[in-house]
Amino acid sequence: GAGVSQSPRYKVAKRGQDVALRCDPISGHVSLFWYQQALGQGPEFLTYFQNEAQLDKSGLPSDRFFAERPEGSVSTLKIQRTQQEDSAVYLCASSLARTVYGYTFGSGTRLTVV
Amino acid sequence: GQNIDQPTEMTATEGAIVQINCTYQTSGFNGLFWYQQHAGEAPTFLSYNVLDGLEEKGRFSSFLSRSKGYSYLLLKELQMKDSASYLCAVEENAGKSTFGDGTTLTVKP
Repeated sequence: GAGVSQSPRYKVAKRGQDVALRCDPISGHVSLFWYQQALGQGPEFLTYFQNEAQLDKSGLPSDRFFAERPEGSVSTLKIQRTQQEDSAVYLCASSLARTVYGYTFGSGTRLTVV
Repeated sequence: GQNIDQPTEMTATEGAIVQINCTYQTSGFNGLFWYQQHAGEAPTFLSYNVLDGLEEKGRFSSFLSRSKGYSYLLLKELQMKDSASYLCAVEENAGKSTFGDGTTLTVKP
């Protein structure tokens, strides 16, 4: 596709449930990023992949968060045992190896934990 | 720690010029980005500065001073559709950018 595609667009989870969020980046973009955006705030870095390698996961808030990109294209962010504080918009972005043109973001997944 | 400061809100009149400031203190610096984000939508790339000075791109310009840890985004000939949040982001290293909380710009007729 022409842009970064994320699914689902909206997800409501009961507290304690596991969720999986999918990101399909722009073809040919080697770099892929996950960010978390709370209402009224800027995106917060979660993790970064270059091809299939996860080079930085320093932003993952706890060991309940896990991300993978096994074949260097589609990525999945998994949150286990969701908590209310996990409610946010999860943004995926991709870019060429050199980021002079910035990141291209997907429309995000809005996760609400009830 | 990492800190990026920008005003929370600004208001301007259609057709006018507005300058949105950003100051930063980060552990690394590979470049500075400005993004536009309309409510409920994804951020979209506006500009990138890595060297000191002004980069002009149509109605939008962005300025960087690395020694002062300072940037601004200049929007000219404001249009109603420019009402949005403007995010300043510093790429600290290859793969990690730190974002400010955004400046919500309201353009009034």
